[in-house]
Amino acid sequence: GQQLNQSPQSMFIQEGEDVSMNCTSSSIFNTWLWYKQDPGEGPVLLIALYKAGELTSNGRLTAQFGITRKDSFLNISASIPSDVGIYFCAGPSGSARQLTFGSGTQLTVLP
Amino acid sequence: GAGVSQTPSNKVTEKGKYVELRCDPISGHTALYWYRQSLGQGPEFLIYFQGTGAADDSGLPNDRFFAVRPEGSVSTLKIQRTERGDSAVYLCASSSLGLAGLGEQFFGPGTRLTVL
Repeated sequence: GQQLNQSPQSMFIQEGEDVSMNCTSSSIFNTWLWYKQDPGEGPVLLIALYKAGELTSNGRLTAQFGITRKDSFLNISASIPSDVGIYFCAGPSGSARQLTFGSGTQLTVLP
Repeated sequence: GAGVSQTPSNKVTEKGKYVELRCDPISGHTALYWYRQSLGQGPEFLIYFQGTGAADDSGLPNDRFFAVRPEGSVSTLKIQRTERGDSAVYLCASSSLGLAGLGEQFFGPGTRLTVL
């Protein structure tokens, strides 16, 4: 099946720094999604990308849909403590209703 | 509440027992999904319902797993003869169809299943 490789696995950054994480796939995805999961909660959608080359922002978050359709990037600017959590990339696969998730990037923001 | 709810939040059972996990989707959402999340991993798809019918059950790992949605709203995931490897967080999500045919999936908080 399709797999998403997410990196880095974990990040430790100082409050106020910018952070970037990425996701790659061996196969093409027509939609890229970025989720954030807090402890004890389900994932929450942050940004959805529907077109190759698309660059979309949501507040301090910016995500890009790679031209090859096999990768995507998420950037967070001026990090704050509430940015702590696990960030997942995801894309539709199979019946196009199921989502395939990456293994996540654990983000820690140090004061 | 307005979100997806799941009960119980935690379930501890013994190997070989039967368990049922319940999901209440957002009112009006026709699509419902079950995922399983192991420690340190992203959610893995199990099954997708459109209305009352299971439109895609390709993610169910074996015939010990079964899910129903008899009235097109609440869904129950049933696991027979539980094994220690079934221990995970079981997430439910619901959506309405949106642009590009992929409506945003709203996730519940999950049920943490521990099989001793």
